Amino acid sequence: ETGVTQSPTHLIKTRGQQVTLRCSSQSGHNTVSWYQQALGQGPQFIFQYYREEENGRGNFPPRFSGLQFPNYSSELNVNALELDDSALYLCASSFGRLGANEAFFGQGTRLTVV
Amino acid sequence: GQNIDQPTEMTATEGAIVQINCTYQTSGFNGLFWYQQHAGEAPTFLSYNVLDGLEEKGRFSSFLSRSKGYSYLLLKELQMKDSASYLCAVRDSIGGGNKLTFGTGTQLKVEL
Repeated sequence: ETGVTQSPTHLIKTRGQQVTLRCSSQSGHNTVSWYQQALGQGPQFIFQYYREEENGRGNFPPRFSGLQFPNYSSELNVNALELDDSALYLCASSFGRLGANEAFFGQGTRLTVV
Repeated sequence: GQNIDQPTEMTATEGAIVQINCTYQTSGFNGLFWYQQHAGEAPTFLSYNVLDGLEEKGRFSSFLSRSKGYSYLLLKELQMKDSASYLCAVRDSIGGGNKLTFGTGTQLKVEL
């Protein structure tokens, strides 16, 4: 158990819809990163939040957006869903803006877009 | 940009030793991570290297050579439960943040 929890575990959405995924970080961690993992691939960095501000972004379009709350939990929002957005979405929590020696992943949200 | 290469698949025998290699090209290197991921589960942290040399943690060891852009994960006394995907990831600090760039993973199969 890493102490990082994500909800929901599984989700099915229709193309064009919007989705919100949630992540509660490990106690004491103030940084949350989000990753997208397609089947058979390694996770791809979407963005990171540190103390409620975006602190680094990967190569994802603006319809991928996020928030971090004062308690350091976080949301990932995806608008105008496309079939290729079907993937496992992982959040990882750590301490510090420039990273720590470990980042702990939640169990992920499996999103299926039909 | 970043480029990380690791073998797609490996097979080894229970009780044996296996070495999984990872080569990378990156700018702003700020550490290399190894994660284990069982099918349908989240990646689990195994090791972290930022300086050259060997880090040992129980049955798992990880080595880094920054000048060669090379790392390996060594698994000793293999057990059936070690069958999983092993992900090599590089962290850079360019542009801010704690971005990890992952390889596609090495699927390890441990056989009797």
